Amino acid sequence: DIQMTQSPSSLSASVGDRVTITCRASQSISSYLNWYQQKPGKAPKLLIYAASSLQSGVPSRFSGSGSGTDFTLTISSLQPEDFATYYCQQSYSTAGYTFGQGTKLEIK
Amino acid sequence: EVQLVESGGGLVKPGGSLRLSCAASGFTFSSYSMNWVRQAPGKGLEWVSSISSSSSYIYYADSVKGRFTISRDNAKNSLYLQMNSLRAEDTAVYYCARDRVWQQLVLGQYYYYYYMDVWGKGTTVTVSS
Repeated sequence: DIQMTQSPSSLSASVGDRVTITCRASQSISSYLNWYQQKPGKAPKLLIYAASSLQSGVPSRFSGSGSGTDFTLTISSLQPEDFATYYCQQSYSTAGYTFGQGTKLEIK
Repeated sequence: EVQLVESGGGLVKPGGSLRLSCAASGFTFSSYSMNWVRQAPGKGLEWVSSISSSSSYIYYADSVKGRFTISRDNAKNSLYLQMNSLRAEDTAVYYCARDRVWQQLVLGQYYYYYYMDVWGKGTTVTVSS
């Protein structure tokens, strides 16, 4: 099974900050990496697919990069509505998707 | 409006069974693979199972293999999850999610990228005596 590890597990930041979240795969997954945002009590929302493609309707302050085993999600200028938990997910193995453990982004 | 609505959750005793449903609307259900993803209280997301558009391909997480069965009825635009031999650790919010594929042509070769682009609001399953 492919394991996904996110860092950090939690992060405190202020409105306007630039924030980067990292996701590492246990084996190469090319660009088969997606990012989701989840707010408390809500379903996850797709932000980025195929490592760097922005989902329609998602603000351009969100961006993704990486390939192989190392990936990043960057928020260029944090907005109040961005405080949430973020998950990476690999789709390299369609026989078994796996998520990272999540990164909780909190207000400093 | 594209929508997924889960139902069927509830309180069940360990060893019991439950059947979840997911009603799809606003898109051609029969054209998409579908997933179940769960989230235990205070925990992260865990993929549970996937089924292809025509039910030809079905996959399960090791944690539910042999106990859960995914199925779909394209005529009814519905996805199901039959859960048997339930355990306390199956307690979670269960989401259904649509699998979208993006096809990219690179140097004459197609690559297919899968992602879950539409999610339901979830249904809660509690396994407790």
